[in-house]
Amino acid sequence: LAKTTQPISMDSYEGQEVNITCSHNNIATNDYITWYQQFPSQGPRFIIQGYKTKVTNEVASLFIPADRKSSTLSLPRVSLSDTAVYYCLVGDPWDYKLSFGAGTTVTVRA
Amino acid sequence: GAGVSQSPRYKVTKRGQDVTLRCDPISSHATLYWYQQALGQGPEFLTYFNYEAQPDKSGLPSDRFSAERPEGSISTLTIQRTEQRDSAMYRCASSSFLGETQYFGPGTRLLVL
Repeated sequence: LAKTTQPISMDSYEGQEVNITCSHNNIATNDYITWYQQFPSQGPRFIIQGYKTKVTNEVASLFIPADRKSSTLSLPRVSLSDTAVYYCLVGDPWDYKLSFGAGTTVTVRA
Repeated sequence: GAGVSQSPRYKVTKRGQDVTLRCDPISSHATLYWYQQALGQGPEFLTYFNYEAQPDKSGLPSDRFSAERPEGSISTLTIQRTEQRDSAMYRCASSSFLGETQYFGPGTRLLVL
């Protein structure tokens, strides 16, 4: 599995956009980039997955440059309820052994 | 059921005792996974079941850990002769089929004294 590096923590305020960048320099051709969100006292929850360029859903956007060596998760207009740990995973999308790492703790303040 | 459920939510035990944790997956899901999550870390894979078959046990830390899913639905994770280093959150997840999106349960917090 490709190793990922992401910031340990980020602080933000309500209404701001939060961008979390994940580095994955040795990403393989078949690897996808997937982000999970984990609220306190809950299990991780899939939020978005992409291979290249840009993917957007109702929760977030995922930006992947052409070289795919990094990716950025964008959370628009965050609220207090977006306070969570965000994990960047890189690997075969059919790989069942999810490898989470330590994630990025995002704290949203009023 | 509507989501993955786990019981108990909290378990405190003394070193050397056996514990059994239960996972009730989403009812239509063929595949069930067990993870161990240490404080401040993401979950780490332990094992998985495809219906009642258990093709991969590679993440189980030692032979004190075992899991069952005899009827392809509910699963149990048993830790024999618990040690303090076993203290962690144990999470169960399920997916409709192997490789599909995994849905995680709330976890069981195990504390070994």
